[in-house]
Amino acid sequence: QVQLVQSGAEVKKPGASVKVSCKASGYTFTGYYMHWVRQAPGQGLEWMGRINPNSGGTNYAQKFQGRVTMTRDTSISTAYMELSRLRSDDTAVYYCARDGRSIRGNGPYYFDYWGQGTLVTVSS
Amino acid sequence: DIQMTQSPSSLSASVGDRVTITCRASQSISSYLNWYQQKPGKAPKLLIYAASSLQSGVPSRFSGSGSGTDFTLTISSLQPEDFATYYCQQSYSTPHTFGQGTRLEIK
Repeated sequence: QVQLVQSGAEVKKPGASVKVSCKASGYTFTGYYMHWVRQAPGQGLEWMGRINPNSGGTNYAQKFQGRVTMTRDTSISTAYMELSRLRSDDTAVYYCARDGRSIRGNGPYYFDYWGQGTLVTVSS
Repeated sequence: DIQMTQSPSSLSASVGDRVTITCRASQSISSYLNWYQQKPGKAPKLLIYAASSLQSGVPSRFSGSGSGTDFTLTISSLQPEDFATYYCQQSYSTPHTFGQGTRLEIK
């Protein structure tokens, strides 16, 4: 069965960086995009970007360009999201989510499996 | 970026009620529209993809319709476990934006 297991909660100071991991199992890691979505306390969902685990190619939301880096290690089926120059308004739960459409396929994109979420708290 | 607007923002209903949530895109997105359900402290769960396709394992009381800019999620007969927040999302282009959410509460 498909599982996405994320790393644990983090507390960071403003200006620091955080790197969240997402370990995939139960499917071919390189066959599906991995997305990152965040949710500030009491707020809605915000798409941050995605990575093609096969090529390493990325697409980032304009809002995070220059601060976010998404990478992967195919040898351990793990995706990473690093956010730098953290601010207090980056406090949120960060989710990884698998795209249900095969990278080589056609048709719509949708997020069919999600990690459990990682709380990142930015506070001085 | 494509803006997604849901209505209503919150809704009170009773078990057994039929409920409809709407989602409007700021430009045509064909049928590239997904619906998710989120309960407090949990990750979102995919309900409907491509506007009207029911995700495997999701009860048939959930249905979706629409194309272009206007979409609806319908729950035919509310069950106690359906009280949650619902989000639409467009996957027509990146960034894959979400609606602001609709909180469904017990009346």
